[in-house]
Amino acid sequence: AQSVTQPDIHITVSEGASLELRCNYSYGATPYLFWYVQSPGQGLQLLLKYFSGDTLVQGIKGFEAEFKRSQSSFNLRKPSVHWSDAAEYFCAVGGTNAGKSTFGDGTTLTVKP
Amino acid sequence: GAVVSQHPSWVICKSGTSVKIECRSLDFQATTMFWYRQFPKQSLMLMATSNEGSKATYEQGVEKDKFLINHASLTLSTLTVTSAHPEDSSFYICSARDSTSGWAETQYFGPGTRLLVL
Repeated sequence: AQSVTQPDIHITVSEGASLELRCNYSYGATPYLFWYVQSPGQGLQLLLKYFSGDTLVQGIKGFEAEFKRSQSSFNLRKPSVHWSDAAEYFCAVGGTNAGKSTFGDGTTLTVKP
Repeated sequence: GAVVSQHPSWVICKSGTSVKIECRSLDFQATTMFWYRQFPKQSLMLMATSNEGSKATYEQGVEKDKFLINHASLTLSTLTVTSAHPEDSSFYICSARDSTSGWAETQYFGPGTRLLVL
């Protein structure tokens, strides 16, 4: 069975500081990995995805993520956080099982001025 | 591109009534759509997979007679919460897979529907 763990429930960073959100997954084969962002009361927006190839993936809004098979991780990073990045972030793993994705519990990002 | 809409965005209903939520893929065809439920401060819980032209596949523990899903066309899936009760109050989110895209495993999410049952 596939599963996702986001160890950090809540992270607070200062505006302009760097950010790293952790994600660990469990999957029996090569996973499809995703990061989504959700603003309050909204649906999810895809930030980036990894299917194969280059393990460093670039996404929208200046985010990137690195797939590390040896660590079963897919951490999300941003070099300089903006106040508008405050939101809930979800990591998800999916595969060829009818396209189903399993989501982590999410990490709430607060940005201090 | 890849826009998914949901209607309504908000609905308040009395206990015992039924509520229908629509999920539409606006600029792509989606043979598969997914329905999720999200409680406050929690993750998304997959309720069912909606397949165009066939019966939905429900996740374990989800009552198929309670949450009726119809996927009548390549751009529309509906979720009907029958005989709604206060415990059905939640945020319902749909997503759609672009079946014609090379990124077939990518889901595009709707903005969600908040249901409040009084």
